[in-house]
Amino acid sequence: EIVLTQSPGTLSLSPGERATLSCRASQSLSSTSLAWYQQKPGQAPRLLIYNASSRARGTPDRFSGSGSGADFTLTINTLEPEDFAVYYCQQYGSSTFTFGRGTRLEI
Amino acid sequence: QMQLQESGPGLVKPSETLSLTCTVSGTFVSSGIYYWSWIRQSPGKGLEWIGYISHSGSTSYNPSLKSRVTILLDAAKNQFSLKLNSVTAADTAVYFCAGDSAPSRWFAWGQGTPVTVTS
Repeated sequence: EIVLTQSPGTLSLSPGERATLSCRASQSLSSTSLAWYQQKPGQAPRLLIYNASSRARGTPDRFSGSGSGADFTLTINTLEPEDFAVYYCQQYGSSTFTFGRGTRLEI
Repeated sequence: QMQLQESGPGLVKPSETLSLTCTVSGTFVSSGIYYWSWIRQSPGKGLEWIGYISHSGSTSYNPSLKSRVTILLDAAKNQFSLKLNSVTAADTAVYFCAGDSAPSRWFAWGQGTPVTVTS
C-alpha cells in the first residue's frame, strides 16, 4: 500500500498570503495519479485538483497543483478567508487508493 | 447536477452487518460514464477508500476490507449500496458515498452518515 505523508501538519497563515502544502508518496506514482481535496468541518471532502495539476470544475484558479514521481505540491495563492480548512492528498497510482492524513490550514 | 444522499442505521452491533444505501439524483447510476464509491472517515484511520462499483456492475475493493465488503447497484431505484459484515468498533466512522467519471477520484459526494458500532 502506498503511504502518503503530508507536511506540515498545521500551517498558520493570514488572508492574502500564499500557502504551500506538500505530499510525499512512499513510492513513485505511475503517471501523475494524485488528487487534492479540501474539507471543512461537518462537510464532505471537495475535489480541487486531479492528475496532480488539473483543476476540478469550480476550483478557483488561485489553487494549483504540481509535482510528479513521489513529490507533489498544492499551492494556494492569495489566501481567501474561505480557504482555511483541512487539505488531503489522495493517490490512485496503485489499485488501492489511499489518502494522506491532511494538512490543517489555519489563520 | 448530480446529488448523492446516504441513508441507513446509525448504530450497528458488533459482529452484525452494516448496510447503507446511496440514492443518486441528477443522473442514472447505470449511465455508462460513472463509477460509484464508498469512503469512510474516522479519527483513527482518517479517510479510507472502501471500494467502488461501475455503471456495469464491476467492483473493486480495498484489500484490507475485501473479505467483508459488498457493493451493489440497483438501477431500478437509482441507488447503490454498501454491506460490511462482521463489524467491530474499528468500523465506527462517517461513511460517504461518492461518484465521478473515473473510479479513482470523487467529484460528487454525499453529506456523509455517521455509523457507530456498539453493543
